[in-house]
Amino acid sequence: LAKTTQPISMDSYEGQEVNITCSHNNIATNDYITWYQQFPSQGPRFIIQGYKTKVTNEVASLFIPADRKSSTLSLPRVSLSDTAVYYCLVGRASGGSYIPTFGRGTSLIVHP
Amino acid sequence: EAQVTQNPRYLITVTGKKLTVTCSQNMNHEYMSWYRQDPGLGLRQIYYSMNVEVTDKGDVPEGYKVSRKEKRNFPLILESPSPNQTSLYFCASSFRESGVHEQYFGPGTRLTVT
Repeated sequence: LAKTTQPISMDSYEGQEVNITCSHNNIATNDYITWYQQFPSQGPRFIIQGYKTKVTNEVASLFIPADRKSSTLSLPRVSLSDTAVYYCLVGRASGGSYIPTFGRGTSLIVHP
Repeated sequence: EAQVTQNPRYLITVTGKKLTVTCSQNMNHEYMSWYRQDPGLGLRQIYYSMNVEVTDKGDVPEGYKVSRKEKRNFPLILESPSPNQTSLYFCASSFRESGVHEQYFGPGTRLTVT
């Protein structure tokens, strides 16, 4: 699976847009990019997934440039409840390999 | 309600006393897995299962066993727990074609081994 690099932490304020970038330079052709959110003492929760360009759902947007070597999770108008750790995963189910690398993630703190 | 359940949620035990943490999902998912989460180390996969009677090692399988006799259940077994297995454990499931990319996680089991 492709290795990912994310900032360890970020701070923001209520109502602002937050962009968290993930670097994945050795992403493979068939790899997808997935983001999870985790609150303290809870299991991660799937947020969004994409392959290229832009994907948007009710909670976030995912921007993927043409070279796919990075991706950006965008959270519009964050609130205090968006304080969590965000993980970027890159990979695919190939050859029976389903071992993900969650890494340390990005700890987002939203201030009043 | 679609969910992954784990039991117990909290467990304190002593070194060497065998224990089982149960995991059950009601979404008919083929893929199930177990993770442990430790401060500074993130989530690490212990074992996963592609379907009934099919299991395989993840990143940190030492000291753990699993079984998949039914599609909905995937228990984690610690035959002889040691203090270094004190951790927060999560079970997860997904459809096979989603693999690791849209997993549903349980609420977690906090295990302390003294």
